[in-house]
Amino acid sequence: EDQVTQSPEALRLQEGESSSLNCSYTVSGLRGLFWYRQDPGKGPEFLFTLYSAGEEKEKERLKATLTKKESFLHITAPKPEDSATYLCAVLPSGTYKYIFGTGTRLKVLA
Amino acid sequence: EAQVTQNPRYLITVTGKKLTVTCSQNMNHEYMSWYRQDPGLGLRQIYYSMNVEVTDKGDVPEGYKVSRKEKRNFPLILESPSPNQTSLYFCASSLLGSANYGYTFGSGTRLTVV
Repeated sequence: EDQVTQSPEALRLQEGESSSLNCSYTVSGLRGLFWYRQDPGKGPEFLFTLYSAGEEKEKERLKATLTKKESFLHITAPKPEDSATYLCAVLPSGTYKYIFGTGTRLKVLA
Repeated sequence: EAQVTQNPRYLITVTGKKLTVTCSQNMNHEYMSWYRQDPGLGLRQIYYSMNVEVTDKGDVPEGYKVSRKEKRNFPLILESPSPNQTSLYFCASSLLGSANYGYTFGSGTRLTVV
């Protein structure tokens, strides 16, 4: 069964304290892996798409990487405005049914 | 501005009273989808559509209907709402075959069924 697991469920960081969020996935074939940011009461906002193992994407303090079994979202020197829930999703090959993880709630303290 | 617009943002209704949540996008996206988001369960896909008159079930379609008569609109219909359909609903769209762009999500509709 295709599935996506994110860890940790919640993470508290001090401003400037770098860390990584994990997204483990099990699919028969991967068309794409997506990262989104969701602020409270709002719709998720697209961050990155990764297609193949070894690929990396960067945006400001965020860097996403992909292996054959998992993806990491690295946050370098986070700021309080990076506080949000980060969602991972996969799109298996041969389908247009996205599968979302339950997210990691990140809180960055000033 | 490129966007997905959902209405209403908040809705409280009674069990059994039919309702429609509207969704419209202005990006000429082929692919549109509805999700519900519940604590601890994440985003679960209800229905999706790959183009006009082409719809398919997601993971949790029971109790919902959709239609895609125009490319820009994808309404979600609850014919006889029940309390277990209380949830936060999101409409989303993307370019079909252009997975690079991911979804554009609407702002959400918080539905309470009493």
